[in-house]
Amino acid sequence: DGGITQSPKYLFRKEGQNVTLSCEQNLNHDAMYWYRQDPGQGLRLIYYSQIVNDFQKGDIAEGYSVSREKKESFPLTVTSAQKNPTAFYLCASSTQGLADTQYFGPGTRLTVL
Amino acid sequence: ILNVEQSPQSLHVQEGDSTNFTCSFPSSNFYALHWYRWETAKSPEALFVMTLNGDEKKKGRISATLNTKEGYSYLYIKGSQPEDSATYLCASPSMQGNTPLVFGKGTRLSVIA
Repeated sequence: DGGITQSPKYLFRKEGQNVTLSCEQNLNHDAMYWYRQDPGQGLRLIYYSQIVNDFQKGDIAEGYSVSREKKESFPLTVTSAQKNPTAFYLCASSTQGLADTQYFGPGTRLTVL
Repeated sequence: ILNVEQSPQSLHVQEGDSTNFTCSFPSSNFYALHWYRWETAKSPEALFVMTLNGDEKKKGRISATLNTKEGYSYLYIKGSQPEDSATYLCASPSMQGNTPLVFGKGTRLSVIA
């Protein structure tokens, strides 16, 4: 089945530790995205990538880093510089254009203790 | 940053009621308007993409209209069912062309049996 997978579903980390969230897609999509959702907020864009080895900052990139070494994979690292890392993180992909329909993964809930 | 507004924030209706809610966006530099449905414990899924003023789209009991001149879209649900309970998100690219989607905060619909 084609789709987007994110792992793990729940993640707990101690304050000050970096943590990497996985996102993999087998839809052959060029573009991939990371969003963050907090209670009462919409989806806010962290980073996006339109092509392998290239990515751009979204609206709230501070404290996060990404890589796009393979078309299928777009991991997100939440660094210790992110002041409020506890949130729900969604990964998505789209065929080519950034304004195209996006397909979402199931999300990872990160809790920093 | 483009401002996409949704109202109401939440809505409770009885099974069988019809309902509608609104997405507002700046009418200048309009490119496309997306609607997504996000059920609890699932991934957001695309409902409609609309690009032309006056567009109407329908999927079962759910339909949407678009007014690009005044900057709004309505989502209608006819004869609401408990399975329609979800958060409905709208999104629009921040500028014309190849720019990322900006999401509204969503309307949370609860259909009471």
